[in-house]
This record gives sequence, structure tokens and C-alpha cells, in this order.
Amino acid sequence: RKEVEQDPGPFNVPEGATVAFNCTYSNSASQSFFWYRQDCRKEPKLLMSVYSSGNEDGRFTAQLNRASQYISLLIRDSKLSDSATYLCVVNSGDYKLSFGAGTTVTVRA
Amino acid sequence: GAVVSQHPSWVICKSGTSVKIECRSLDFQATTMFWYRQFPKQSLMLMATSNEGSKATYEQGVEKDKFLINHASLTLSTLTVTSAHPEDSSFYICSANGRLGVWVSTDTQYFGPGTRLTVL
Repeated sequence: RKEVEQDPGPFNVPEGATVAFNCTYSNSASQSFFWYRQDCRKEPKLLMSVYSSGNEDGRFTAQLNRASQYISLLIRDSKLSDSATYLCVVNSGDYKLSFGAGTTVTVRA
Repeated sequence: GAVVSQHPSWVICKSGTSVKIECRSLDFQATTMFWYRQFPKQSLMLMATSNEGSKATYEQGVEKDKFLINHASLTLSTLTVTSAHPEDSSFYICSANGRLGVWVSTDTQYFGPGTRLTVL
């Protein structure tokens, strides 16, 4: 079983729509959680950390459910520039990051 | 701040040659650097972790004699793909974490822009 699993999508949504997706992780001892964004042929860039209480950063909301071992990302009022692959990333406590394969989001005009 | 650079950004080489990729932290001291490989439509896979001045720790299945890692200073790590073959063609990305004051946490990895290797 992969350590981090994501729905690959793609999620095709119109501008202004809300899109949400999850990822699951297998290591219950995981301590830190992140969402990264990766554009085609580019390096991943940190979008936001995910905290136990849930957190927002502008139009982005992240939630963590430790009991069910999943993390979610919700994007409100989608922009064309939100089109990217979103990587779910988990740190299991030894500074090593485990990456999901990514969820592709395409926002259309 | 917290910028990581990689050089070269892309390289094409013949089968059997060796390729060296540099990873530099430009404005902070990188106590740990990580090397990843990403094949198309797949996740980043950690190859090895290197700490300055010590030998790299390789992940299971990664040949240390084929992927030579040197982390000689707190700002530079190199990955050398020896005797590259077409199956080594991939996107190689480094990342680094460390401390500069309190705003760069050890939990956050900052990624270089990646090196796209094509072996003919």
C-alpha cells in the first residue's frame, strides 16, 4: 500500500466553482501534513501546512482528520491560475516527506 | 528568502556518460538536503538524504554506487548519475531544510527548480 494516496483526477471545473479533494495516509504516526502545488515541469511549491484544527489561507481551506487518516483541500472561487497538480505530503517525523502522486485540477474559463 | 537553486536545469547525454547535478541553498545554511526523482505522472520518490559532512543515507532500492551524493558544505550538495542509461531519464529535484533565524523551520523543505535528465 502506498504511504500517501490521492485521487489523480482530473477535476475540471469552471471559474468561480468550488473544488475539493482528499488524500489518505497510511502511517498513523505521521506528524506533519502539507499541500504542495506543482505546475507542469516545475518543482513543487508549498501551498499550505495542514493543522489539526483545520486552517484557511485565502480561498484555500485544509482539514486534517487523524482518526480516519485523511487530509482535504478545498478551493473556493476557483481561478484559472489554480490549474495545477496538488500534492498531498506527509512527514512521518524523521524529516522525510512522503508525496502523493497528485490531484490534477483544471479550471476553465 | 529560502531559495534553492539547481544546475543544470536540463541535460541530454549519451548512454554510459556520467552527469553531475548541483543543488545550492542561496540564503540559508542547509543542514540536510534531499534528492528526489519524479517520473511522468508519478509522485516524487525520495532517493537519499544527505547531511553536511557525512555520508548520504539512501532509500531502499537506490544504488549508492550509481547515484553518488556529496554534501561537502552547508550550501552545496551534488548528485552524480554514473554511467547513465535511458531508464535513468527523469526529473531530479533537490530540497533543503535548515535554520536561518526562526523563520525557516526544519519541518519545511524548500525545493530547487529541478533538473530534467534525458539519456539517449
